[in-house]
Amino acid sequence: SQTIHQWPATLVQPVGSPLSLECTVEGTSNPNLYWYRQAAGRGLQLLFYSVGIGQISSEVPQNLSASRPQDRQFILSSKKLLLSDSGFYLCAWSSQGGYTFGSGTRLTVV
Amino acid sequence: AQSVSQHNHHVILSEAASLELGCNYSYGGTVNLFWYVQYPGQHLQLLLKYFSGDPLVKGIKGFEAEFIKSKFSFNLRKPSVQWSDTAEYFCALGGMNTGFQKLVFGTGTRLLVSP
Repeated sequence: SQTIHQWPATLVQPVGSPLSLECTVEGTSNPNLYWYRQAAGRGLQLLFYSVGIGQISSEVPQNLSASRPQDRQFILSSKKLLLSDSGFYLCAWSSQGGYTFGSGTRLTVV
Repeated sequence: AQSVSQHNHHVILSEAASLELGCNYSYGGTVNLFWYVQYPGQHLQLLLKYFSGDPLVKGIKGFEAEFIKSKFSFNLRKPSVQWSDTAEYFCALGGMNTGFQKLVFGTGTRLLVSP
């Protein structure tokens, strides 16, 4: 069966520190992968999506970047976190119209 | 560009009341439409989806939604809500862009059902 793993579940980081959130998918190959952010009162915002290894599309200008070094691995990064980067980050994958979401990472930048 | 609007940000109902949550979308091409629910402290879960065919879609837990193409709407309904339906509900649109579907969410509606 297909599963999606996302870690860590919670993270508290100081302003200016780097960030790396990892998402891995099992049980499927060549999935479309997504990073979403859920900020308080703003719903789910699509940040990045990827249709293949090394292929990243950014939806909104921001302080974050994404990479896909392997077929089933999707990484969200930042060199220097801002207070406004706080939020709930969700990884998702899709295949044939269906979507599966990870359990999310709650990031608090202090 | 594709977008989704959910005009009701907060809804408060008593148990057994009927529910209708509005969802309007903007997209010029073929659409797939979804409703997701997020219960407190839990993951996003799919309630129902529309790809094609019968515009009245039935989902889990007694929810249904109707796709009205002329109104660009996909409203979620439930005849009688329960306290356990307290959650945040998200409408989402998957627009086909050059064969790749990108899922865009509305801002969500927080539903509080009082016992």
